[in-house]
Amino acid sequence: QVQLQQSGPGLVKPSQTLSLTCAISGDSVSSNSAVWHWIRQSPSRGLEWLGRTYYRSEWYNNYTISVKSRITINPDTSKNQFSLQLNSVTPEDTAVYYCAGGAGWKFDSWGQGTLVTVSS
Amino acid sequence: QSALTQPASVSGSPGQSITISCTGTSSDVGGYKYVSWYQQHPGKAPKLMIYEVSNRPSGVSNRFSGSKSGNTASLTISGLQAEDEADYYCCSYTRSSTLVVFGGGTKLTVL
Repeated sequence: QVQLQQSGPGLVKPSQTLSLTCAISGDSVSSNSAVWHWIRQSPSRGLEWLGRTYYRSEWYNNYTISVKSRITINPDTSKNQFSLQLNSVTPEDTAVYYCAGGAGWKFDSWGQGTLVTVSS
Repeated sequence: QSALTQPASVSGSPGQSITISCTGTSSDVGGYKYVSWYQQHPGKAPKLMIYEVSNRPSGVSNRFSGSKSGNTASLTISGLQAEDEADYYCCSYTRSSTLVVFGGGTKLTVL
């Protein structure tokens, strides 16, 4: 059973970088079948998929168009985790951020969620 | 405005069946088998209930079922129980640059 544990700050200043980490237990970030995602949820935007990383003999990333210029998702094989970095944040990036894992385009396991508030 | 359209709310009495619809386009729901459904209780992370239109993950009650016709997917919950009261979200792969779209969510009330 895969478990995901999120960590990172809950308050980020406008124009700065939001950084979150998702530690994986019960699977490997380098699994040849798993895919690792970041998803956020806010009252104004609902659930919004941000991007994913996965390993299939080499590393791949995909990002949704609305944040593509500002987002990076990186795997860390030494710690069996993956991270989210979102640059140049504004108050519109305030949301609960979730990491999730699964195969294909389904999200089987979820982190506990992190409320990130963008405010000075 | 969400890319997939769901009713804002549905309700039913214990033991009854309800169906939640999720309408998209041929670029998402209608064009691919990658439709999934999630249950979310207040303050909790979403939970996968149905994937690839009609498949149930291990551990999910067989009271939950999914289907699709054209551009509309549906989630049916039979034998409603109090614990089913939650928000439900549909989700689909899309060939647009968004890649994944969610519905706006449906609040299920068990009367």
